Amino acid sequence: SQQGEEDPQALSIQEGENATMNCSYKTSINNLQWYRQNSGRGLVHLILIRSNEREKHSGRLRVTLDTSKKSSSLLITASRAADTASYFCATHGSSNTGKLIFGQGTTLQVKP
Amino acid sequence: DTGVSQNPRHKITKRGQNVTFRCDPISEHNRLYWYRQTLGQGPEFLTYFQNEAQLEKSRLLSDRFSAERPKGSFSTLEIQRTEQGDSAMYLCASSRGGRESSPLHFGNGTRLTVT
Repeated sequence: SQQGEEDPQALSIQEGENATMNCSYKTSINNLQWYRQNSGRGLVHLILIRSNEREKHSGRLRVTLDTSKKSSSLLITASRAADTASYFCATHGSSNTGKLIFGQGTTLQVKP
Repeated sequence: DTGVSQNPRHKITKRGQNVTFRCDPISEHNRLYWYRQTLGQGPEFLTYFQNEAQLEKSRLLSDRFSAERPKGSFSTLEIQRTEQGDSAMYLCASSRGGRESSPLHFGNGTRLTVT
């Protein structure tokens, strides 16, 4: 079973707009990671947020984490057509395991 | 850093045949992962190795699937007696082991089509 559930499943916006994707997970975590996948390619790591952090920034990316609600969000500001991809959150199912479990993903389309 | 390499990129096989995929991880990474991904879904965990030891294997992985990493470097994933339901993208990833915060580096996958 998947640990994370992303919402929405699909998102279509115009270039320049902001895109927000949400992720919910089930078990306690030490950190949560976000990955991006272009069509037909492997996943690329974007950002990691630790359980003791509430917000983290990297360029146009902003990630928040609410451990009380077991949820995270990824915000992409000033989106570009090149941001068109699928985005996945991922967590380790339980502590002391190397297994990383991915959610179902959000497919983002940015129209030029 | 030459990245994670997977071969072949595409494989078409007939039902009942055996197939084997290869993954070459980033050289200094001691963890290696296999995932399966179908269209519109997230990657589904299959198994992972730390060095040559297979530490965890998904219960979803039937006995037709076997993975090896004999010298702690490259890995192979074999599927015996393939079924149409095995059609998917098989992704390999590697990471620096021992640190849960180490990100996974993925290859571009092997796309399997079973006819």
